[in-house]
Amino acid sequence: DAGITQSPRYKITETGRQVTLMCHQTWSHSYMFWYRQDLGHGLRLIYYSAAADITDKGEVPDGYVVSRSKTENFPLTLESATRSQTSVYFCASFEPGYSPLHFGNGTRLTVT
Amino acid sequence: AQSVTQLGSHVSVSEGALVLLRCNYSSSVPPYLFWYVQYPNQGLQLLLKYTSAATLVKGINGFEAEFKKSETSFHLTKPSAHMSDAAEYFCAVSDGSSASKIIFGSGTRLSIRP
Repeated sequence: DAGITQSPRYKITETGRQVTLMCHQTWSHSYMFWYRQDLGHGLRLIYYSAAADITDKGEVPDGYVVSRSKTENFPLTLESATRSQTSVYFCASFEPGYSPLHFGNGTRLTVT
Repeated sequence: AQSVTQLGSHVSVSEGALVLLRCNYSSSVPPYLFWYVQYPNQGLQLLLKYTSAATLVKGINGFEAEFKKSETSFHLTKPSAHMSDAAEYFCAVSDGSSASKIIFGSGTRLSIRP
């Protein structure tokens, strides 16, 4: 099915562990984004990518790493998870001039 | 710098009543404005967008929003609420040049009373 898929949907990890959240889109959109959603803060941009091998920081990048070796995939890695990174993470994609932002269904991450 | 403020983190209306969700923006350039809806355990979906064409924008599910430059507002309305409208609604602003500059508001949770 066409769309944007995030995995896993739910993840519990311990402080200090590395965890990777996956995002895959089937539209070949050039832009992809990672947001985190926290109560009272709306959505805050972590990182975005304008094309394969091009990434840039958003509003809250500290503690996160991204890569984009293929257009369709945009994984987000927490190198050493902290409790403050407990959140719901959304991946999104779009093609400038052709589509609005399309969001995945989110990954709910709990860091204990 | 751009910003968006949603007035009221929670709005409750009766089924059949008018829905009004408030959004004010700040932008140094002509803005693009958006309303997104988020149903439980789902991502955000675009309801409607303003991109400098008509000031009254119609979206999906009977929602519409009016761009008022003098008031720097982009309030979302629906004449008659339905139970299925219960969701979180986000206003967002962009300078139009790139989605990387989309700034989201903190959201308004809409509840519908039977």
